[in-house]
Amino acid sequence: DAGVTQSPTHLIKTRGQQVTLRCSPKSGHDTVSWYQQALGQGPQFIFQYYEEEERQRGNFPDRFSGHQFPNYSSELNVNALLLGDSALYLCASSLEEGATVYNEQFFGPGTRLTVL
Amino acid sequence: AQTVTQSQPEMSVQEAETVTLSCTYDTSESDYYLFWYKQPPSRQMILVIRQEAYKQQNATENRFSVNFQKAAKSFSLKISDSQLGDAAMYFCAYEGGSTLGRLYFGRGTQLTVWP
Repeated sequence: DAGVTQSPTHLIKTRGQQVTLRCSPKSGHDTVSWYQQALGQGPQFIFQYYEEEERQRGNFPDRFSGHQFPNYSSELNVNALLLGDSALYLCASSLEEGATVYNEQFFGPGTRLTVL
Repeated sequence: AQTVTQSQPEMSVQEAETVTLSCTYDTSESDYYLFWYKQPPSRQMILVIRQEAYKQQNATENRFSVNFQKAAKSFSLKISDSQLGDAAMYFCAYEGGSTLGRLYFGRGTQLTVWP
C-alpha cells in the first residue's frame, strides 16, 4: 500500500520563476493538504483540497495556488518566487469520513525548494 | 487564532531514561485534538500520539504517553525507556473547531538520545 508520494524531491529555482509541486495521496484518500515548513520552523498550513475544490486556506498570498485532479492527486503552484519561499513543502492526505470520525492526516516526505 | 508553543528548542536524554517534552496551546474552542508528531532527518512527519480534548484519560502508545491538562492548556509528551531511534524533531500540533482539518504546529523540540 503506497503512502503519500511527492515529486520532485528537490528543486532549485531563481527569483521570479514559477514552480509546480506534485502530490499523490495515500491509496483510498480523497483529501489533500499542503504545508510550508521553513528552516527551523514548524509546518504552516497553506490550503486543503477536497472534491477538487479548495476547502480551507491559510494565510498565504495569491501567488500560492493549487489544484486537485479527479484521481485525488494535487498540485501546488507558486508564482513570482521570492527568496522567502525557500522551504520544505509537505503534502498530507486523509479520507473524509464525516464529522464524527477523526480523519487522520498522513504526510509525504516533502519537496525541498530552494530559491536563489 | 489558535497558537501552539513549544518552549524547549532542544532536549537530550540518555538511552533507556525518560524525557518529557512540553507544549502549551491557546484556543477558544471546546472540541479539538492535540498531537505529537516526530520528524526524523528523512523529513517524513510521523504521528506519535493523539489526544481528543473530550477524553479525560491521557493517551498512551507503548513507550509514549501524554499529560493533558485541559484547564491549563498544557500537553506534554513523556518518552519512557528512550531509544536511539527516538532521536528526531518533535512537533506539538492542534486541530479543531471551525478549522477542523487544518493542523497548527509549534516550532518543535530537537531531541538527542545519547548512548
